[in-house]
Amino acid sequence: LAKTTQPISMDSYEGQEVNITCSHNNIATNDYITWYQQFPSQGPRFIIQGYKTKVTNEVASLFIPADRKSSTLSLPRVSLSDTAVYYCLVGASPTDTGRRALTFGSGTRLQVQP
Amino acid sequence: KAGVTQTPRYLIKTRGQQVTLSCSPISGHRSVSWYQQTPGQGLQFLFEYFSETQRNKGNFPGRFSGRQFSNSRSEMNVSTLELGDSALYLCASGRQGASYGYTFGSGTRLTVV
Repeated sequence: LAKTTQPISMDSYEGQEVNITCSHNNIATNDYITWYQQFPSQGPRFIIQGYKTKVTNEVASLFIPADRKSSTLSLPRVSLSDTAVYYCLVGASPTDTGRRALTFGSGTRLQVQP
Repeated sequence: KAGVTQTPRYLIKTRGQQVTLSCSPISGHRSVSWYQQTPGQGLQFLFEYFSETQRNKGNFPGRFSGRQFSNSRSEMNVSTLELGDSALYLCASGRQGASYGYTFGSGTRLTVV
């Protein structure tokens, strides 16, 4: 499974846009990129998943360059409630029947201040 | 719709004892995975079940085992508990072919004393 590298922590202020970049140089052709959010003492929550270019949902956007060796999670206008740990994962292909183990890295601890 | 339900929410056990944790996946989800989360090691994959069969297993000792029932509910068992087994144990369920990732439960906080 492809290893991911993310910043350990980031700070932001309410109302700002936050971009968290994840590096995954060894991503395989069939791999998808998935981001999860985790609050203390809770399970991770799925945010967004993509394969290439750009994906947007009501919560975030995911930008994936053509070489797919990195990806950027974009959170528009963050609030205090966005303070959490964000994990970038590679390999959880929806149609892959064989590999179902999610490999979590250390994640990025985002602290949003007022 | 109901999410992933894990019971109990908190548990305190003594070294050497065994423990069983339960996970009820989202209705219709046949894949159930278990993860251990500790401050030192982060989130680590334990095993994954699909249709009552273990499909994947992480790098954990044989004291950690699991099973899945015909209704997709899953249990995880840890025998001969050690202090280092203290962790948040998370269960995740998923539907094959889904593009929305896995849904995690809130976990069971196990403390071994």
